[in-house]
Amino acid sequence: EPEVTQTPSHQVTQMGQEVILRCVPISNHLYFYWYRQILGQKVEFLVSFYNNEISEKSEIFDDQFSVERPDGSNFTLKIRSTKLEDSAMYFCASRRTAVGQGASGANVLTFGAGSRLTVL
Amino acid sequence: KNQVEQSPQSLIILEGKNCTLQCNYTVSPFSNLRWYKQDTGRGPVSLTIMTFSENTKSNGRYTATLDADTKQSSLHITASQLSDSASYICVVSGTYKYIFGTGTRLKVLA
Repeated sequence: EPEVTQTPSHQVTQMGQEVILRCVPISNHLYFYWYRQILGQKVEFLVSFYNNEISEKSEIFDDQFSVERPDGSNFTLKIRSTKLEDSAMYFCASRRTAVGQGASGANVLTFGAGSRLTVL
Repeated sequence: KNQVEQSPQSLIILEGKNCTLQCNYTVSPFSNLRWYKQDTGRGPVSLTIMTFSENTKSNGRYTATLDADTKQSSLHITASQLSDSASYICVVSGTYKYIFGTGTRLKVLA
């Protein structure tokens, strides 16, 4: 079964350092997302990406964050200068069709296993 | 305001027992509702997806119901197993976005 692949699985970094989290979405998917989940809390939306541009972003996704799809397969999340409160699990997700297009399998968000970021 | 509330927050049951998790939502317009299972330290995995016209959908020991009038959904787990221990997240889709619930943490004990 196709999977969303994320690397690294765990990264430890010093406050103020730049971090890049990588994702390889499912190959025929068109919509890409980053979510984060602080330990013990709910999954929070960060950003959605379609047609090589950001389609929506949350208030969490400030100027310290950026996303890129540099080569048509990878989808990256960059945190420019990490803060302690950026420590969380970061999940990449992808889907084939638009959100409102019924309940077909193509509409299902498929998540990666996550990248755990620890900022010291 | 678009919200998804889940109850209970956590639940402990004995192996072999049944349980029901609840999801109430105020998302409008409504497109569909999904239940995800999230094992500790892993990404959510889709269990079921339901549209406005569907009342019940089963996936093995998991049965989801949807009442679009009262905007409530439930996930019933039959004959629970130790591997069912996880967080269960209700996700409601509006027109352009997904609204995540806070999740129910289920612990199944031997």
